[in-house]
Amino acid sequence: GAVVSQHPSRVICKSGTSVKIECRSLDFQATTMFWYRQFPKQSLMLMATSNEGSKATYEQGVEKDKFLINHASLTLSTLTVTSAHPEDSSFYICSAREPTPSRDEQFFGPGTRLTVL
Amino acid sequence: ILNVEQSPQSLHVQEGDSTNFTCSFPSSNFYALHWYRWETAKSPEALFVMTLNGDEKKKGRISATLNTKEGYSYLYIKGSQPEDSATYLCAFPYSSASKIIFGSGTRLSIRP
Repeated sequence: GAVVSQHPSRVICKSGTSVKIECRSLDFQATTMFWYRQFPKQSLMLMATSNEGSKATYEQGVEKDKFLINHASLTLSTLTVTSAHPEDSSFYICSAREPTPSRDEQFFGPGTRLTVL
Repeated sequence: ILNVEQSPQSLHVQEGDSTNFTCSFPSSNFYALHWYRWETAKSPEALFVMTLNGDEKKKGRISATLNTKEGYSYLYIKGSQPEDSATYLCAFPYSSASKIIFGSGTRLSIRP
């Protein structure tokens, strides 16, 4: 199956700093990538849909100025958590959709555990 | 509000026993249902994509059934092994933009 990488896998930062998380599709081109967040003991919540060459589409309640998404190429999307606060500590995971008629199957990265002190 | 529910939340099974768990989803505007297996520190791995009412799919000792009219899917594991320990997620695509809503998962632990 298609492979998606995510970097870093774990990051600890001080409150007020910005953190960038990268999501890469390694063996296919992804026009659409998705960013999810998981709170403890809860399901994956879609934050935004990242579209190559255009602005990301954010879900209701997600601050676009807080969570900056850039999808500059067909293999890379980045999520930047700006001015991070402890409440932003969470597990962030991306997925990429392979552009084939495969019933919207998405391939996931391994996730990034963000801890804001 | 679309709601995808999984039960139970967690499950402890003796090695060699068979088990099953449930995913409930909205029965209207059905497009597909996905099952994923998510092992700790790894990427969620797609198990099945189910699209037709009455579908039954199988992958080794794992199988899944689908009832779109009543809005549920079962995942079965036969003869559980320690490597089956993982969180099993079901996911429901709900728009043409391929957005997916996830259930909260069933955390399966296999006791040797």
